[in-house]
Amino acid sequence: DTEVTQTPKHLVMGMTNKKSLKCEQHMGHRAMYWYKQKAKKPPELMFVYSYEKLSINESVPSRFSPECPNSSLLNLHLHALQPEDSALYLCASSHPGGGDSEQYFGPGTRLTVT
Amino acid sequence: KNEVEQSPQNLTAQEGEFITINCSYSVGISALHWLQQHPGGGIVSLFMLSSGKKKHGRLIATINIQEKHSSLHITASHPRDSAVYICAVGQGAQKLVFGQGTRLTINP
Repeated sequence: DTEVTQTPKHLVMGMTNKKSLKCEQHMGHRAMYWYKQKAKKPPELMFVYSYEKLSINESVPSRFSPECPNSSLLNLHLHALQPEDSALYLCASSHPGGGDSEQYFGPGTRLTVT
Repeated sequence: KNEVEQSPQNLTAQEGEFITINCSYSVGISALHWLQQHPGGGIVSLFMLSSGKKKHGRLIATINIQEKHSSLHITASHPRDSAVYICAVGQGAQKLVFGQGTRLTINP
């Protein structure tokens, strides 16, 4: 199984809502990533988990809260988002070998904040 | 100046043409990645290389470490190759630095 799954595919939420994005992989990867991608731009790294511990936080606002409950699951909790947070949110996983590990990406969650 | 520069930004070609996309980088790297993103979102890893050349089907990737340059070639291009191709370099600590992408359109 070389698939990274993400749910939901689409999400529309108001600025006062609380929602969560989910990501799952069963490749035995011990590094998992959240990226944010705006239209016609490359992905921007948000968070990296290595062996279920947060190893990189790219100065992301606290209204985004990541969680890695086990080695297969990665969540992104959303609260009090702004319209400018509307974007495609991509999850990826890899072996924790640094930038020389192939990353496997999920299909993304397209988020719209109204 | 971006650490990873791709050219061209946009490329339109006819089916069957030989395609070359270039990537130059200005930082030390552990590996270079070529990624493909179709409209609708999902990103697929095409190649990861740290030296020489790799081939997969009609796709060929090369890297010249001394010149800090990589190329992605597509032979016998097909409309289904239409996508955004992204070059990214690994700098350790699981971080990738991305180029701005090359939007490729292959017309039938």
